[in-house]
Amino acid sequence: QVQLQESGPGLVKPSETLSLTCGVSGGSITSDYWSWIRQVPGRGLQWIGYIYYSGGPNYNPSLKSRVTISIDTSKNQFSLKLDSATAADTAIYYCANGPGATRLTSWGQGTLVTVSS
Amino acid sequence: QSVLTQPPSASGTPGQRVTISCSGSSSNIGNNFVFWYQQLPGTAPKLLIYRSNQRPSGVPDRFSGSKSDTSASLAISGLRSEDEADYFCASWDDNLSGVLFGGGTTLTVL
Repeated sequence: QVQLQESGPGLVKPSETLSLTCGVSGGSITSDYWSWIRQVPGRGLQWIGYIYYSGGPNYNPSLKSRVTISIDTSKNQFSLKLDSATAADTAIYYCANGPGATRLTSWGQGTLVTVSS
Repeated sequence: QSVLTQPPSASGTPGQRVTISCSGSSSNIGNNFVFWYQQLPGTAPKLLIYRSNQRPSGVPDRFSGSKSDTSASLAISGLRSEDEADYFCASWDDNLSGVLFGGGTTLTVL
């Protein structure tokens, strides 16, 4: 299994773009599904979207207008951008991967992002 | 409606068998595999069951999954204190064309 590590600002101002990167080690990013999931502390999991190297991205319809997930093969990492952030986007953001969109075998430790002025 | 419904809580005593349910619809569980994740306090989720009833290597056989029609269940036998965690079901939803997670069940070992 690969190891994943999220990085990015822990504080984002409302209306700005939330940007996170997931570094991948122990495996290549040119296979499998690469996903972002978030969790409001103490609450459930919400699927944000995934990108498949040879198949492009797929996003949660409720977030689709604001989300971009991309892959950087030169750095073996993938990224999340969420535009026009609001307080409702405050959550722990996890990157994850696996052989399927629902079969997530490796997870990052998660990073808390707070949207506040 | 694309929703996976789980009971918010479950409990049992050490050694007991407990089950956690996940109810969906024909667009998700009824037509796709179910996956179960265990989230220990303060940690990331971990895959517990895939393809409705398969265990990844390293997951004890005390954990088992089943699916019938539009519902699924996770069973934990020989309950241990270290099983205290949140458990989430997940499935692909054909209407959403994406991944659905259940609301999660908090398991308490009394």
